[in-house]
Amino acid sequence: EAEVAQSPRYKITEKSQAVAFWCDPISGHATLYWYRQILGQGPELLVQFQDESVVDDSQLPKDRFSAERLKGVDSTLKIQPAELGDSAMYLCASSSQGGTEAFFGQGTRLTVV
Amino acid sequence: KNEVEQSPQNLTAQEGEFITINCSYSVGISALHWLQQHPGGGIVSLFMLSSGKKKHGRLIATINIQEKHSSLHITASHPRDSAVYICAVSGRAAGNKLTFGGGTRVLVKP
Repeated sequence: EAEVAQSPRYKITEKSQAVAFWCDPISGHATLYWYRQILGQGPELLVQFQDESVVDDSQLPKDRFSAERLKGVDSTLKIQPAELGDSAMYLCASSSQGGTEAFFGQGTRLTVV
Repeated sequence: KNEVEQSPQNLTAQEGEFITINCSYSVGISALHWLQQHPGGGIVSLFMLSSGKKKHGRLIATINIQEKHSSLHITASHPRDSAVYICAVSGRAAGNKLTFGGGTRVLVKP
C-alpha cells in the first residue's frame, strides 16, 4: 500500500545545531504539506508545495526554517539553528492535485536539548 | 476563537461504552476529516466527509453542513481505541490545506 515516508522517526539535537527532515510523498501526489505538532496541540501548517513551488509558507519561521522540493517529488525541511521551542512532531502529508484527502507520514519527533 | 473547536478535550470510557466526539467549525469547507493519532505515532485518516454520514466498522461520522458541526461516534469501545482523535477541515480557497482542531484524547479502560 502506498504511503508517505518520513525520516528519521526520531531526532535529538542540541540547540544551535542544524537539523533536517526528509519526506517522500505518495507517488504522483502533486501537493505536499509540512505540519508541526507541539505536544498536546493540533498540527499547524508550516509550508505547502504544489509540485516544486511553494503555495503557502506564511507560518514558516523563515529566519531559521527552510523547505525545498526541488524536483517536485521528495522534500526536505531544515532548521538552522534549532531552538528548544522547536521540539515537536514534524508531520509530512501529501494529496493528489485537486484532491481533498491528505495522507500522512509517521512523522519525525524532534527533541532539542 | 479557533476556526475548529473540538469537545471534549479529554474523555475516559469503560470498555463497551458508546463514545461521541464533537467538532464545530466556523469557516466554509470543502471537506471535514476525522483523524486518529496513537501515542508517538503518525496520523491516520479515518473519514473524509462533505455531507451526510459514513460508517466504518465501529466508527460512525456525521456532518451537518448547515450547522457547521460534525460528530465522531465509537460504538462498543475497546482499549485499542485509545488515541487522540482530531477533527480537521479543508477548503479549496485555502489550497486544500487542513486546519486542525485541538484533538480529543480518548482513554478506554478495560
